[in-house]
Amino acid sequence: AQKVTQAQTEISVVEKEDVTLDCVYETRDTTYYLFWYKQPPSGELVFLIRRNSFDEQNEISGRYSWNFQKSTSSFNFTITASQVVDSAVYFCALSGINEKLTFGTGTRLTIIP
Amino acid sequence: GAVVSQHPSWVICKSGTSVKIECRSLDFQATTMFWYRQFPKQSLMLMATSNEGSKATYEQGVEKDKFLINHASLTLSTLTVTSAHPEDSSFYICSAKGTRAPYEQYFGPGTRLTVT
Repeated sequence: AQKVTQAQTEISVVEKEDVTLDCVYETRDTTYYLFWYKQPPSGELVFLIRRNSFDEQNEISGRYSWNFQKSTSSFNFTITASQVVDSAVYFCALSGINEKLTFGTGTRLTIIP
Repeated sequence: GAVVSQHPSWVICKSGTSVKIECRSLDFQATTMFWYRQFPKQSLMLMATSNEGSKATYEQGVEKDKFLINHASLTLSTLTVTSAHPEDSSFYICSAKGTRAPYEQYFGPGTRLTVT
């Protein structure tokens, strides 16, 4: 069975601070995919990144960066210089080759102006 | 590209009635669509996998007779909540998987169902 744990239920930071959202996963599959999604108050899921299990390279996209470490089964997400528009619920998710997504419980991020 | 729409975006219905939610891939073909359910302030839970031209595969604990899924074409899947009850009130989200690389899942905007 697959499992995704986002231990941080809610995080609040002051604007311009950096913030890291943690994600720990469990799977028996050797081939799997990790995702991060943003869900603003409107409810629509916004795709942020997809990573496959064979690619441990960290990725940076603007103010966003991701740290994938298979040794600790973690796929953490960092926002640098946070902005109010970053306020949302962020979900980490995992899928195997069957592509069924298992979502974590989400982290509600609030950026205080 | 890769836009998925859902209709309606919100619906209120009375207990005992049935509600149909549509999920459409607007600019690509999707052989597989997924239906998720999200209760307030909770995570998304996969309900079923819908494959074009075949019966849907339901996750454990999801009543197939209550949540009827039809995937009649490569661009449309429907979820019908039959004999709705207040506990069915939730946010229903679909996703569609493209038939071409990178085979990503693209999510619809969701449908908020309230059963009174």
